Amino acid sequence: EVQLLESGGGLVQPGGSLRLSCAASGFTFSSYAMSWVRQAPGKGLEWVSAISGSGGSTYYADSVKGRFTISRDNSKNTLYLQMNSLRAEDTAVYYCAKATGSGWTTLGVFDYWGQGTLVTVSS
Amino acid sequence: DIQMTQSPSSLSASVGDRVTITCQASQDISNYLNWYQQKPGKAPKLLIYDASNLETGVPSRFSGSGSGTDFTFTISSLQPEDIATYYCQQYDNLPLVTFGPGTKVDIK
Repeated sequence: EVQLLESGGGLVQPGGSLRLSCAASGFTFSSYAMSWVRQAPGKGLEWVSAISGSGGSTYYADSVKGRFTISRDNSKNTLYLQMNSLRAEDTAVYYCAKATGSGWTTLGVFDYWGQGTLVTVSS
Repeated sequence: DIQMTQSPSSLSASVGDRVTITCQASQDISNYLNWYQQKPGKAPKLLIYDASNLETGVPSRFSGSGSGTDFTFTISSLQPEDIATYYCQQYDNLPLVTFGPGTKVDIK
């Protein structure tokens, strides 16, 4: 059974940093691209970042480019999101999501999601 | 960037009713369109991929159609457990993925 478990969320002051983790199980982690998608309170879904199965390619939404860094440790079956220079508008539930494969087009189809971790940026 | 719109933004229907949601892309996205269901306090769940393909394990009362810029999502017979917000999502412009604003479905 595929499971994705996020952790690392919490309250942080504007300008601060936080690192999110997503522990994966039930599939061959290194064979699949992974993404982070966030949802501000009461709002819709916003794609944040993606990473290839090998970790060699990374992609970011303009809203987080230069501030967030996605990475993965395939030996630990874990996905990360390092968030720096946090702003109030980064407040959201952050979900990790598994792509349906490792190919380019599979990057955009998310077949499993974690339960999410809440990040609150406030002074 | 490709913008996605959905209509209606919310709807209320009776159990057993046929429910239809439309999604429109700001440019041609071929069939690179997915539909997700999100129940309150839960993560989204993939229902339909590539516009019309039913994800494994999803009940057959859910269906999708369309290509290009106009897409339709249908629940053939609304059930109480279908109360949720439904999102369309395009992935024609990879790696940039965008979601529609969502349609909240309620029971009348």
